[in-house]
Amino acid sequence: GQQVMQIPQYQHVQEGEDFTTYCNSSTTLSNIQWYKQRPGGHPVFLIQLVKSGEVKKQKRLTFQFGEAKKNSSLHITATQTTDVGTYFCAGWGAGNTPLVFGKGTRLSVIA
Amino acid sequence: SAVISQKPSRDICQRGTSLTIQCQVDSQVTMMFWYRQQPGQSLTLIATANQGSEATYESGFVIDKFPISRPNLTFSTLTVSNMSPEDSSIYLCSVRDSYTGELFFGEGSRLTVL
Repeated sequence: GQQVMQIPQYQHVQEGEDFTTYCNSSTTLSNIQWYKQRPGGHPVFLIQLVKSGEVKKQKRLTFQFGEAKKNSSLHITATQTTDVGTYFCAGWGAGNTPLVFGKGTRLSVIA
Repeated sequence: SAVISQKPSRDICQRGTSLTIQCQVDSQVTMMFWYRQQPGQSLTLIATANQGSEATYESGFVIDKFPISRPNLTFSTLTVSNMSPEDSSIYLCSVRDSYTGELFFGEGSRLTVL
């Protein structure tokens, strides 16, 4: 079945440093979504990417969808303590296949 | 957007007992999803709760263990039956925005089985 792999599993950064998490799918995705889960909270939707090669920005966050629609990345510029949490990518396959979540990248920011 | 209320928020249960988790949405939705998130892990889809028909279960999950009800378009329940410590987890209810594809999650129900 469809698998979505995400690396790294953990990332510790100093406040102000950049951060990137990568997501790779075993199959071509119809679209990919990114979620953020704060410690003790539930996942919250960040963005959805649909088009091959698409790039979207939200303030300090930049999201990319690969040309082959099998990989994606989330880059945070100049991290802040408010960025702490686990970032999940989630991919929709073709047809009615369910959304598959990556294992997530847990980001710690040291002030 | 959708606001999802889930209860209980947490519970401690004895081995062999069953617990029903309730999920209430503030709007009518076609599909509701139940996820499990074990400590420090990702989200795994248990089943899709369909109104007016049986739930659709993912590989590794069966109706006898996780019976689901969906009496109307705003409400669903998930029962965790004959619990064992391996069932200790956070169970999350979710709905999908049919226009944006965004998933909205409830606050989750944290179950600890002793």
